[in-house]
Order: sequence, then C-alpha cells, then structure tokens
Amino acid sequence: SQQGEEDPQALSIQEGENATMNCSYKTSINNLQWYRQNSGRGLVHLILIRSNEREKHSGRLRVTLDTSKKSSSLLITASRAADTASYFCAYSGGYQKVTFGTGTKLQVIP
Amino acid sequence: GAVVSQHPSWVICKSGTSVKIECRSLDFQATTMFWYRQFPKQSLMLMATSNEGSKATYEQGVEKDKFLINHASLTLSTLTVTSAHPEDSSFYICSANSMGSGGANEQFFGPGTRLTVL
Repeated sequence: SQQGEEDPQALSIQEGENATMNCSYKTSINNLQWYRQNSGRGLVHLILIRSNEREKHSGRLRVTLDTSKKSSSLLITASRAADTASYFCAYSGGYQKVTFGTGTKLQVIP
Repeated sequence: GAVVSQHPSWVICKSGTSVKIECRSLDFQATTMFWYRQFPKQSLMLMATSNEGSKATYEQGVEKDKFLINHASLTLSTLTVTSAHPEDSSFYICSANSMGSGGANEQFFGPGTRLTVL
C-alpha cells in the first residue's frame, strides 16, 4: 500500500502544551498537505508545503518537510481544547491524485 | 477559499436501494473531482477520480458497476451507490482541485455524506 503512515496514532496532551505529529510516505511528492477532521465531520485544510520547501508556518502551526527522509511533521504550539480532532497528512506526487496518511487522533485536555 | 458542497449530508436507506450523492464546486470550475470513502476511525481512501466529460478512473478494488460516477459539468459530480448493502455504510467525501497561490494544486473537500444502509 502507498498509504502514508502517521505517528503517533493517538495523542493526549494538556491544554497549553505542544503537539507534534509525524507523517512518513513512500513515493516522490510534489506537495504535502495537512488536514484536520473533527469527529464525523468534513476536512479542514490547514497548510500546504511544496517539495522544495523545508518549513512553513501558519499561526500556531509549523510544518516541516524532509524529502530525503520522506517525512513531514506538524507541530501545534500552545494547544487548545478546540484543537481536539484527527489530523491527516495528504500528499500528491502528480496527476492531482492525493494519498492520505493513517491519521493522528489528538485530544487536548482543558 | 474555494467551496465544495455535498448533498445530502446524511442518508439512511434500506438494503438493495440506490443512493445518489452530489458534489458541487460552488465558486470555481473543476475538471477533476475525487471521491473518497472513510470507514469509522480510519483514514480516507480514494475510490475514484471523476473527469468531466469522460469516464471515471477507479482505484483498485473499487467496483465501478456498484459505484457509478457521473461528471456531467465542470461544477457537478455525482456518485451513485447501487444496490447498497450494510457494508457500504460509510462517510463519503468528494474533493475538487483548485490552483492555489504559487501554482500549487490544492484540494478542497466537501463536508461529506454519511451513508447508513439498514
């Protein structure tokens, strides 16, 4: 399977702490995106990083990309209870087709 | 950003019936749309790529005769689950590509349709 692996599968932290999720993939990519999904709801696009970029920031989010290791990480700083959700990486190697990672379920305890 | 809508949001049907799910790009044209399926507590799995004006491309293991896809216009793709069975119960999500800033393709996802087959 070409599906990306994410770890940890689940993560529980206290409000105010940082949360880090990792994504590893198997193919060459053009870009990698991170999405959030609240339980039973649709996807919310968080950030896109292109293959020639190494790091990107958006508010409390920081994404890194290491194409040599075929991995990416998502850091959420100063987490809030509202950040509780599942987080998925999704990458595209061309032809517009996107493959999703297995997801990390984050719980932020108030 | 670009908006993608799905209709219905949820549907409950009896086994053996067919269900149609619509996916619309509201403020942009999408020559290509994608259909995903997500089982509980699992990730999204691509089912098929829907191409405007041509046949859909299905992923391995997805029955094209069971999941009929029609992409009749640049803003509408439909997924019909034919002769639905309880194992087809899932969350179905569509997406459409739009050119984001810097030229990178960005996928915009619909809110999903939860199908429950009794």
